[in-house]
Amino acid sequence: KQEVTQIPAALSVPEGENLVLNCSFTDSAIYNLQWFRQDPGKGLTSLLLIQSSQREQTSGRLNASLDKSSGRSTLYIAASQPGDSATYLCAVRPRDDKIIFGKGTRLHILP
Amino acid sequence: EPEVTQTPSHQVTQMGQEVILRCVPISNHLYFYWYRQILGQKVEFLVSFYNNEISEKSEIFDDQFSVERPDGSNFTLKIRSTKLEDSAMYFCASSGTGGVTEAFFGQGTRLTVV
Repeated sequence: KQEVTQIPAALSVPEGENLVLNCSFTDSAIYNLQWFRQDPGKGLTSLLLIQSSQREQTSGRLNASLDKSSGRSTLYIAASQPGDSATYLCAVRPRDDKIIFGKGTRLHILP
Repeated sequence: EPEVTQTPSHQVTQMGQEVILRCVPISNHLYFYWYRQILGQKVEFLVSFYNNEISEKSEIFDDQFSVERPDGSNFTLKIRSTKLEDSAMYFCASSGTGGVTEAFFGQGTRLTVV
């Protein structure tokens, strides 16, 4: 049974710092992995998609890596800003008809 | 940018009443999903829908729940007799097939059962 774990559960860092969020999954047989952002009480915004054959994807200050064989992904945020404060969710797609989420990392950037 | 649209954004209903949550997925997507998120908890899979039938469902998706694609564009989730514990944010999502396609999520419907 595929399980997704995100560490840490919460993180507070001063503005301007670079930071890394971690995601691990138990079964390496996945189609892809997606990182989402969720603001309090809001929906899920897709940040990055990494296909199973890819090692990383970049969008602006965000960089996500994937090591499928070890069941790990990281989301790197460069030069953090207060507007980056949100919950970041990692989700794997083991097959077309299912997407499995981790519990998320709640990020707080201190001004 | 394509988007998934959900209505209503917030619904309050009395325990025991039926509710229908509505979603308009992205038009050329083939897979449709419903997820729920109880306040402060993780996003949980309910059901996926493909080729006009349920493809996969979780243990949460019992006989009180049903899904339908009534007109080729809308995708609905019906809860027949709501319970207090059904109070949650419900998300609809859609995607194409294979690993190259993102899943897009709607902004959610907050269901409050009183």
